[in-house]
Amino acid sequence: QKEVEQNSGPLSVPEGAIASLNCTYSDRGSQSFFWYRQYSGKSPELIMFIYSNGDKEDGRFTAQLNKASQYVSLLIRDSQPSDSATYLCAVNEPSSASKIIFGSGTRLSIRP
Amino acid sequence: DTAVSQTPKYLVTQMGNDKSIKCEQNLGHDTMYWYKQDSKKFLKIMFSYNNKELIINETVPNRFSPKSPDKAHLNLHINSLELGDSAVYFCASSQVRGTSGVNEQFFGPGTRLTVL
Repeated sequence: QKEVEQNSGPLSVPEGAIASLNCTYSDRGSQSFFWYRQYSGKSPELIMFIYSNGDKEDGRFTAQLNKASQYVSLLIRDSQPSDSATYLCAVNEPSSASKIIFGSGTRLSIRP
Repeated sequence: DTAVSQTPKYLVTQMGNDKSIKCEQNLGHDTMYWYKQDSKKFLKIMFSYNNKELIINETVPNRFSPKSPDKAHLNLHINSLELGDSAVYFCASSQVRGTSGVNEQFFGPGTRLTVL
């Protein structure tokens, strides 16, 4: 069974600090990695995707991928109360071009 | 100009009833999905269609039957509803590129199903 593991949290971070969210995956053949943000009662919203080892930056968000360690992370700089949400890590299943597997999510709380 | 839309948003029904959820996307994507998110927020894929063809069919009771009349629409019919079917059901769509897994999925607003 392919797995995507995340710490469920809650992760509490003071406003203005860096929030660091982590994710590990079990299938070494996975090639694409996604971070979704889900506010309570809303649908998941794609915020970042990364396919290559290293860092990818988009505004206050940085995704980091280390395929050797099977580890992907999301950094949120200058955290705002509006960043409080559940963050879902998702990884493609190599045997299926269409299937991505979601982690159970990390609940992030930014305290003012 | 909603990208992925679902109806209804809320569905409350009695055990044993049959109900349907509809999904439409105007993104021009060729692949659509149904996901179930339970009370613990775990998001699990149920079905996927590519150009009206079923390509993913996870271990789901056969009371659940998807139908895709065209690549912009994907419906979910549920027979003989049970208490355990209570969840939020999300539709999603994507344009899968090649075999590398490039598959950015965009989600609809969800349908909250409550079975009494």
